[in-house]
Amino acid sequence: GNSVTQMEGPVTLSEEAFLTINCTYTATGYPSLFWYVQYPGEGLQLLLKATKADDKGSNKGFEATYRKETTSFHLEKGSVQVSDSAVYFCALSTGNQFYFGTGTSLTVIP
Amino acid sequence: GAVVSQHPSRVICKSGTSVKIECRSLDFQATTMFWYRQFPKQSLMLMATSNEGSKATYEQGVEKDKFLINHASLTLSTLTVTSAHPEDSSFYICSARELATFMNTEAFFGQGTRLTVV
Repeated sequence: GNSVTQMEGPVTLSEEAFLTINCTYTATGYPSLFWYVQYPGEGLQLLLKATKADDKGSNKGFEATYRKETTSFHLEKGSVQVSDSAVYFCALSTGNQFYFGTGTSLTVIP
Repeated sequence: GAVVSQHPSRVICKSGTSVKIECRSLDFQATTMFWYRQFPKQSLMLMATSNEGSKATYEQGVEKDKFLINHASLTLSTLTVTSAHPEDSSFYICSARELATFMNTEAFFGQGTRLTVV
């Protein structure tokens, strides 16, 4: 079946620290992979995506590379800011279904 | 990107009453919309998949008579929580995908509705 396993949080970092949130997946076929971000009290916003192996998605300093050989899509950012504090969800799409990870809460302290 | 508008953002209702939540795709047509429920500090739980012009497909454990879903047009889906009780208090989120480029494309999410039943 299809599933997403995401690094558990919460994660607390100091401003300007390096961020990695791990995400691995299991899927049949050729899924697309996504990272969504949810700020408190809001819905989900697409952060970045990759639709095929070796694609790199990037946005707002965040990056993730679609690694088929390791079935991973780890989220990274070189220098986090306080405004990056949010919950991050890894997701995959295959056919008409979305599958979400459990979410990782990130808090960045000044 | 495409916009999904969800209304209301917050609602407080008395126990035993019904509440309707609307989800609209503003600048695209959505054959399929999804309804999720999110508990505090937890992930999204898919409740049902709503297909325009047909009955919704509910996930196991979700009461279809309690959570009524209607998808009357390509831009509007509604979720009605009937005879709401305090345990129905939660954050409900809808999402939609574009008709023309459906396969493996991103889903666009509404802002969510915070339902509190008192």
